[in-house]
Amino acid sequence: DAGVTQSPTHLIKTRGQHVTLRCSPISGHKSVSWYQQVLGQGPQFIFQYYEKEERGRGNFPDRFSARQFPNYSSELNVNALLLGDSALYLCASSLGQLYSYTFGSGTRLTVV
Amino acid sequence: QKEVEQNSGPLSVPEGAIASLNCTYSDRGSQSFFWYRQYSGKSPELIMSIYSNGDKEDGRFTAQLNKASQYVSLLIRDSQPSDSATYLCAVNTEDSNYQLIWGAGTKLIIKP
Repeated sequence: DAGVTQSPTHLIKTRGQHVTLRCSPISGHKSVSWYQQVLGQGPQFIFQYYEKEERGRGNFPDRFSARQFPNYSSELNVNALLLGDSALYLCASSLGQLYSYTFGSGTRLTVV
Repeated sequence: QKEVEQNSGPLSVPEGAIASLNCTYSDRGSQSFFWYRQYSGKSPELIMSIYSNGDKEDGRFTAQLNKASQYVSLLIRDSQPSDSATYLCAVNTEDSNYQLIWGAGTKLIIKP
């Protein structure tokens, strides 16, 4: 059974550009969360979707947006990229909101 | 603000000894507790989940939860060099809209 898959694995963008990151959850998982992790810190919560509805939003600017599709896959969009957006972006899926989360391998975003 | 605290370490433990990792949390309504292991440059991997007071054992790993004192710990018996990683504590609560609240992680080094 496939785990959580994220694409792309690495990405280099220029300041001001836009980026779309993609995530496919484990089959049967209806909850998808997005996290940003910078070196030396724990993951920072960005968004959670459950049954295609946004159930939580972290303390990130409106440049960050996300959505979940009918097949429970998800996209994270970041507009007007800043140097500070350089980080590992993690997607995690879960059966439900109190269950453990399984992480994908992440997308390493570098903004130059 | 809901917080999860961990000693950042590094915690250095001889091979074969017991490694003890601790985590405290601020929200008394927390319901689910997780320990994740993260190797450098990789995504977090679930080690243990615990939902009720007491001990939960899985192989060399034991998670301990004490809701009255608001702490959760992870014991690793017969530590191996491959256990060297950063260990992240995460807490989930209905009050936080089921967002995982993360500690910054404890770096564990197992000395051969």
